[in-house]
Amino acid sequence: NAGVMQNPRHLVRRRGQEARLRCSPMKGHSHVYWYRQLPEEGLKFMVYLQKENIIDESGMPKERFSAEFPKEGPSILRIQQVVRGDSAAYFCASSRGIQGPHPQHFGDGTRLSIL
Amino acid sequence: AQKITQTQPGMFVQEKEAVTLDCTYDTSDPSYGLFWYKQPSSGEMIFLIYQGSYDQQNATEGRYSLNFQKARKSANLVISASQLGDSAMYFCAMREDSGSARQLTFGSGTQLTVLP
Repeated sequence: NAGVMQNPRHLVRRRGQEARLRCSPMKGHSHVYWYRQLPEEGLKFMVYLQKENIIDESGMPKERFSAEFPKEGPSILRIQQVVRGDSAAYFCASSRGIQGPHPQHFGDGTRLSIL
Repeated sequence: AQKITQTQPGMFVQEKEAVTLDCTYDTSDPSYGLFWYKQPSSGEMIFLIYQGSYDQQNATEGRYSLNFQKARKSANLVISASQLGDSAMYFCAMREDSGSARQLTFGSGTQLTVLP
C-alpha cells in the first residue's frame, strides 16, 4: 500500500514566483489536509479538503494561498508571489474517516525555500 | 490558551530503558482523539498511536503505550526498551470530533535522544 505521496520533496523559488505542491492521498482516503511546519515548531493546520470541496480553510492565509482537490488527480497547494516568510516544510496528510480511530497519515513533506 | 502542551523540549534515555514523554491537553469537546507522531531527522511524520476519549483502556502498539488519564487531561507516551532508532522529535496532537473542524492541533514537540 503506497503511503501519502508528496512532490516535489524540495522546491526552490525566487521571491515573486509561484509554488505548486502536490499530494496524492493513500488509497481509499478521501480526506486531505495541509499543514505547515516552521523550523523547531510543531505543524500548523492550513486547510482540509474532500474531493472537489474545501471543508475548512481557517488556517490558510487569505491572500496568495489556495488549495484544491479535484475529482481526478492530486491535491494541489498553490502559493502565488512567494515571499521569504513562506519558507517552511509543507505536509499533506490523508485519512479514511474523520472521527474515531482514523489517524491522519502524512507524506514526507515538501521543503520550500525562497531565495 | 495552549490546547496541547509538551513541557519537555528535550529528553535523554539510555538504550533498553523505558521513557515517558509528557503531554497535556485542553478541550471542552466531550469527543476527541489523541495521537502521537514521530519525526526523525529525515523529516517525515510517522503515526505511532491513537487514543479515543471514550476508550476505556490505554492504547498500546508494540513498544509504544499511551498513559491516558482523562481527569488530568494527560496523554503521556511510554516507549519501552528504547532503541537508538527511537531518537527523534515526538509530537502529541489532538483532534476534536464535534463540529466541522477536523484538524490536528500539535504540541511543540519533545526531542528524544537515546544514548548507547
